Amino acid sequence: DAGVTQSPTHLIKTRGQQVTLRCSPKSGHDTVSWYQQALGQGPQFIFQYYEEEERQRGNFPDRFSGHQFPNYSSELNVNALLLGDSALYLCASSSYMTTQPQHFGDGTRLSIL
Amino acid sequence: RKEVEQDPGPFNVPEGATVAFNCTYSNSASQSFFWYRQDCRKEPKLLMSVYSSGNEDGRFTAQLNRASQYISLLIRDSKLSDSATYLCVVNIGGYGGSQGNLIFGKGTKLSVKP
Repeated sequence: DAGVTQSPTHLIKTRGQQVTLRCSPKSGHDTVSWYQQALGQGPQFIFQYYEEEERQRGNFPDRFSGHQFPNYSSELNVNALLLGDSALYLCASSSYMTTQPQHFGDGTRLSIL
Repeated sequence: RKEVEQDPGPFNVPEGATVAFNCTYSNSASQSFFWYRQDCRKEPKLLMSVYSSGNEDGRFTAQLNRASQYISLLIRDSKLSDSATYLCVVNIGGYGGSQGNLIFGKGTKLSVKP
């Protein structure tokens, strides 16, 4: 039973570039949430996708966008990268109609030079 | 006021010690509560959910006080492998019955020494 998988594991970009991060949810899950974790901080909620729609959004600018595919996998896109976007990006999956805890992937570590 | 506040630590304790972490949350509409554990440069992993009646899982005991908006985690007989950052997590509740987004504290770092 595969857990949440994310790719790539590490990524280095420069300011102004664009990046796409990918996530496959745990088998049986239909909801994907994305979080940003800066060094020394707890994860911060970016947005959540269910049925290919953004259902909730945290306090992040429009440069952060996402997508969910029919197979429940998801992408996080960040445009016009800033130095402050350097962080660990975590994907979590869950089942929308339950209150079971979310399961996290290993994350993608993004470094902006 | 931050939505979820924790003492960042670090807590440096000897093996076998009992250690307690506290957490407060600001939104009285919060519905679900959790403790997650995060090892260095790894993803958060659910340690336990927290219920109003209190719950125990082996050496770990979690308590919730809704009136005071306070959550605690007690670790008894600390092991070296307990060294990690412990994240207090609150769920405000979401759309259509979904769990919604999780609000994390900054975490409390625990270091258990031999």
